[in-house]
Amino acid sequence: VQVQESGPGLVKSSHTLALTCTVSGASLSSGDFYWHWLRRPPGRGLEWVAYIDSDGTTFYNSTLESRLLVSADTSKDQLSLTLRSATAADTAVYYCARESQRTTSEGLQLPDAFDLWGPGTVVTVSP
Amino acid sequence: SDELTQPPSVSVSPGQTASVTCSGDKVGDRFVCWYQQSPGQAPLLVIHQDSQRPSGIPERFSGSKSGNTATLTISGTQTVDEADYFCQVWNSPTYVIFGGGTKLTVL
Repeated sequence: VQVQESGPGLVKSSHTLALTCTVSGASLSSGDFYWHWLRRPPGRGLEWVAYIDSDGTTFYNSTLESRLLVSADTSKDQLSLTLRSATAADTAVYYCARESQRTTSEGLQLPDAFDLWGPGTVVTVSP
Repeated sequence: SDELTQPPSVSVSPGQTASVTCSGDKVGDRFVCWYQQSPGQAPLLVIHQDSQRPSGIPERFSGSKSGNTATLTISGTQTVDEADYFCQVWNSPTYVIFGGGTKLTVL
């Protein structure tokens, strides 16, 4: 399974940032999936951005939630992220990453780790 | 607190043992993952469930936990291990928490 993010590279301030994550080697329509978007701003650490799963459930970073939308197109094996009203603070390398799951002794399925990452796509928000 | 605290930097000589710590209230009752991020590369999972090493990760990487502090240990550190290391836990409602990251220098 491989993952590849793509995006515009440069976004003007106050405009909308739109990214795509294409999954190959496995079909999103063939079973359960759990995917995340993360980012790393220059000179800073990793920041979790959003989550989407095969049930259509989404979770968003509370600091970004009002501007953020993630979706999945299983027919194209693609995930999408749109972030409105971009600012310089949104400048970062954006990654999509697969969440692996573990089974507890009680039979519950819980998140385990980010076991597969795309190479990332650089987004620069210009003034 | 939802924070995970890591030292900003750790230095080690080649062949020696490097230890990177991750402290926080959430560490004690949640599994910890560790990621290595080399310059220009995507993060790579090196430890999950506190101490489990994924397939393909060298045996010199190990993880442990005591109380509210998790530790990533690299035995016989090599120059290729020079990277940023991040700890991570799953948390609700913030869902995912990362430590601030530790820059490991091998010199």
